[in-house]
Amino acid sequence: EAQVTQNPRYLITVTGKKLTVTCSQNMNHEYMSWYRQDPGLGLRQIYYSMNVEVTDKGDVPEGYKVSRKEKRNFPLILESPSPNQTSLYFCASSTGHTNTGELFFGEGSRLTVL
Amino acid sequence: DAKTTQPPSMDCAEGRAANLPCNHSTISGNEYVYWYRQIHSQGPQYIIHGLKNNETNEMASLIITEDRKSSTLILPHATLRDTAVYYCIVRVADYGQNFVFGPGTRLSVLP
Repeated sequence: EAQVTQNPRYLITVTGKKLTVTCSQNMNHEYMSWYRQDPGLGLRQIYYSMNVEVTDKGDVPEGYKVSRKEKRNFPLILESPSPNQTSLYFCASSTGHTNTGELFFGEGSRLTVL
Repeated sequence: DAKTTQPPSMDCAEGRAANLPCNHSTISGNEYVYWYRQIHSQGPQYIIHGLKNNETNEMASLIITEDRKSSTLILPHATLRDTAVYYCIVRVADYGQNFVFGPGTRLSVLP
């Protein structure tokens, strides 16, 4: 089954404790992206990757890092989480060739930073 | 990418057609209209997209006006499971695939 898998789905952590949210897709997609969703602000893009070893900032990249060492994985790293990073996070992937416009999203990771 | 305007909320009776409008008066000739929806706090789900012609798939129909300045997503027989936030996005279908999600329309399907 084609899917984008995120882990963990729920996490409560404390300020400053490094954490990684993993994202994996099994569709051989070139493009992957991270979004955060906050009440009243909608979905905002954090980082995206056009292919392996190619990443770029989205609209709200501050406080986050990403890496794309393998095509299927695109982890989101919070080196020193702060309470304003409490949010619902979504990973998405898409093929870069057919331009169908269909983004496949994961189920989301709800992060709380105390 | 062109800006879109959608009503913040709409109601629809179960079994009736749900017609969700979207205005995109500044759309460019090479920009597509995409529709996604988000049920509760799940990941957004692709519905349909089009350039000029009307499109239909198993989920919905997309009607784009001749001047392309507005469009309507039609769910022909809305069910309670169609209750969701619906996003209309206008963008170029390029490799960058950067989708900007606005506030969308919250559709409530009522029994």
